[in-house]
Amino acid sequence: QQQVKQSPQSLIVQKGGISIINCAYENTAFDYFPWYQQFPGKGPALLIAIRPDVSEKKEGRFTISFNKSAKQSSLHIMDSQPGDSATYFCAASMIYNQGGKLIFGQGTELSVKP
Amino acid sequence: DGGITQSPKYLFRKEGQNVTLSCEQNLNHDAMYWYRQDPGQGLRLIYYSQIVNDFQKGDIAEGYSVSREKKESFPLTVTSAQKNPTAFYLCASSFLAEAFFGQGTRLTVV
Repeated sequence: QQQVKQSPQSLIVQKGGISIINCAYENTAFDYFPWYQQFPGKGPALLIAIRPDVSEKKEGRFTISFNKSAKQSSLHIMDSQPGDSATYFCAASMIYNQGGKLIFGQGTELSVKP
Repeated sequence: DGGITQSPKYLFRKEGQNVTLSCEQNLNHDAMYWYRQDPGQGLRLIYYSQIVNDFQKGDIAEGYSVSREKKESFPLTVTSAQKNPTAFYLCASSFLAEAFFGQGTRLTVV
C-alpha cells in the first residue's frame, strides 16, 4: 500500500514560472510533512517542512500548503530558476511513533528551462 | 564538519559476493536509516535503528543486513540473497523526524 502519493512524476517549467507539485497522504496518523530536494548524484536535503496544525509555510520562493481534511500537501516554487532543476520528494512520518521514520513519495523531476 | 558520511561513493560487486556499505554520523542522533533509490520509485526503507543494539526491518529488508554497535555507525551489508542490488543507497540520521542524508553509495553488480 502506497501511503504517500506524489504527482506529477516529471515537470517542465519556463524560467520565472510557478512549479507546483502535489502530494496525497493515506495515513491520518502522520504528523510531520517534509519536502526534500535532491540534485543528481547527491543525497536529498530538507527543503521545508510543515506540521498538520499549520496550513501554509513559506521560505523564500518555496511555499508548502497543507489541507488536513483532504490529506493533501502542495509545494509551490515561485519564480522558478534553472538552478531549481532537481528531483523533489514529499514525505510523511509520525514523529513520536515508529521512530519518526519517513515514508517518501515517488519523486518529481523538475526541469526549469531558461 | 557535522554530518553523515557514506563510503565508498561507488562500489562494484560481483554476483554472489556480499558487500558492506559504511555510514557514519557525528550529529549525535539516535535514529539512523538506510534507503534504497531506484529511478521512478522514490526512496524505499530497508532498515532503521532507533537506538544502539536495536534495529527494525523496513519495507524491503530481504537480502540485506545491518548492525548498530555504536551510536555513530550503521553499516549495511548487501548479501548475495539480494537478487537485484544495483541501486543508489542512502543513509540518514534524524532527530525526531528531521532527517539528514549522506551523499549516497552507488552499487553496481558486474
